[in-house]
Amino acid sequence: NAGVTQTPKFQVLKTGQSMTLQCAQDMNHEYMSWYRQDPGMGLRLIHYSVGAGITDQGEVPNGYNVSRSTTEDFPLRLLSAAPSQTSVYFCASSSWDRYQETQYFGPGTRLLVL
Amino acid sequence: QKEVEQDPGPLSVPEGAIVSLNCTYSNSAFQYFMWYRQYSRKGPELLMYTYSSGNKEDGRFTAQVDKSSKYISLFIRDSQPSDSATYLCAMSTTTNTGNQFYFGTGTSLTVIP
Repeated sequence: NAGVTQTPKFQVLKTGQSMTLQCAQDMNHEYMSWYRQDPGMGLRLIHYSVGAGITDQGEVPNGYNVSRSTTEDFPLRLLSAAPSQTSVYFCASSSWDRYQETQYFGPGTRLLVL
Repeated sequence: QKEVEQDPGPLSVPEGAIVSLNCTYSNSAFQYFMWYRQYSRKGPELLMYTYSSGNKEDGRFTAQVDKSSKYISLFIRDSQPSDSATYLCAMSTTTNTGNQFYFGTGTSLTVIP
């Protein structure tokens, strides 16, 4: 299993540009989520999905769109990048057993908006 | 006020020391409590998971939850240089559309050989 993969690893954008951060998992997890990590702020939930066709907003959704057409993929779209969106973005997928939910994180995408 | 508060450190200890990491929270609806370890330039990985007050032990790691005080701790015994990382506490609550997770800011730990 590759686990959770994210592309690109690093991206530089100009203000106003759009882009899509890709996330894929091969563990057949229903629950997937996107976080951003900023110094002094920790990990903050942007959007999450409990299955194909179902998404919902997290703590900081403004400026980001998501869709979930398949179980495997959960892309994050920035429609018009702003410097405030400079951050490290992590995608995660979750599995449940009887007693525990385990989130598996991808390696992250470092985004710089100029 | 943040949902989860965590002392950012940094914390530097000699090898073999006992490390104590702590978080407080304000939302009494949190049901599940976790500790993640994050190495530099990597994604977080789950270290400990608890859902009730009390202690849970896994090798050199012990997670402690006190729901009445809204306080959780992670203890690392016989700390090793390989434990050097950032430790994130996290909590979750169940909504109509699934669990939402809230993370602390992380505590940076360095274990000196």
